[in-house]
Amino acid sequence: EDQVTQSPEALRLQEGESSSLNCSYTVSGLRGLFWYRQDPGKGPEFLFTLYSAGEEKEKERLKATLTKKESFLHITAPKPEDSATYLCACVSGTASKLTFGTGTRLQVML
Amino acid sequence: DAGVTQSPTHLIKTRGQQVTLRCSPKSGHDTVSWYQQALGQGPQFIFQYYEEEERQRGNFPDRFSGHQFPNYSSELNVNALLLGDSALYLCASSLVSTGEYFGPGTRLTVL
Repeated sequence: EDQVTQSPEALRLQEGESSSLNCSYTVSGLRGLFWYRQDPGKGPEFLFTLYSAGEEKEKERLKATLTKKESFLHITAPKPEDSATYLCACVSGTASKLTFGTGTRLQVML
Repeated sequence: DAGVTQSPTHLIKTRGQQVTLRCSPKSGHDTVSWYQQALGQGPQFIFQYYEEEERQRGNFPDRFSGHQFPNYSSELNVNALLLGDSALYLCASSLVSTGEYFGPGTRLTVL
């Protein structure tokens, strides 16, 4: 069974303090790894899709990378508006469903 | 371009009742998936519809059923509600080549 594990569970940063969130996965035949942002009480907002090891994607202060076992979401010089839960999910094999991790709750302080 | 829309936004039911949640996919998307998200957890896959048929199903009991209409919109039905069914129910739409785009969710509370 596919497994996705995210760490840390929660992270508190000062504004401008860069850091990384981790997503490790155990799946049979990864077809895609997805990062989402979720604000409280709202649906996940799509950020990135990564398909193969070595791939990187960037959007504003966020950069996602992928290896054969894990993915990192790097946050450079975060701002308070980056505070949210960041979810990682995988699609594997012939399945078309997303298997999610439990998320990392990020809080960026002024 | 409207994204994924869901209705209602909030719902309160009592144990044993039945509920129907509705979803309209993003324009041009033909596949709809439903997820259940308990507080503090990641979304859990319930099932996926494509061409009006259930294509894949997660580990949810038969009390959870669904339907997709010719215009690609979808319904999620839950019978014999339990307290543990209280959660945020998310609808996501996609095309074969895209990632899934989520709606705002329906918050279901079972008393």
